[in-house]
Amino acid sequence: GGIITQTPKFLIGQEGQKLTLKCQQNFNHDTMYWYRQDSGKGLRLIYYSITENDLQKGDLSEGYDASREKKSSFSLTVTSAQKNEMAVFLCASSMDGNSDYTFGSGTRLLVI
Amino acid sequence: GEQVEQRPPHLSVREGDSAIIICTYTDSATAYFSWYKQEAGAGLQLLMSVLSNVDRKEEQGLTVLLNKKDKRLSLNLTAAHPGDSAVYFCAVSVGNMGYKLTFGTGTSLLVDP
Repeated sequence: GGIITQTPKFLIGQEGQKLTLKCQQNFNHDTMYWYRQDSGKGLRLIYYSITENDLQKGDLSEGYDASREKKSSFSLTVTSAQKNEMAVFLCASSMDGNSDYTFGSGTRLLVI
Repeated sequence: GEQVEQRPPHLSVREGDSAIIICTYTDSATAYFSWYKQEAGAGLQLLMSVLSNVDRKEEQGLTVLLNKKDKRLSLNLTAAHPGDSAVYFCAVSVGNMGYKLTFGTGTSLLVDP
């Protein structure tokens, strides 16, 4: 079976800092996603990518950049971390847009 | 755009009882429906997904019901056990394209032994 790995598991940043989160999958899935999870708000889509070098904005893309340089990896950059920000960032992949998602275990971000 | 409401936000049941979680959605073109389980400190695990041509699906103690007329999706855990304690999310998308899943806000389920 395959695996989807997010690094780091925990990330502590400072206000204004640029922070990068990484996601790798070995399912050979075409589509990858970044979601942000805040307590009591469900998951909100930040960016997704339907193939290598493709990027599509989600509902929450402002303040973030993403990069899909290889089919197996999808990175997310917080361009300027906001003080007291605390959230979990979840990466997912699917075979294509019609398939079920597989999620990584998340990166927990705290900005001090 | 699609709006999804999920209830209840918290649910506590005794071991062996059933637990029911309900989501309502707004877009009549919604055609893909799924339920995920999130254990503490982990990502989301897909439990079950159905397309709009399915009204009922049962697997391993879980039942998903879809009422398209009322735009309501439910998850029933029959005979819950402590290992079912987790946060559950519904997620839906328009058409049968999973590109942009819209998630409910989650239900925190606690099963007391």
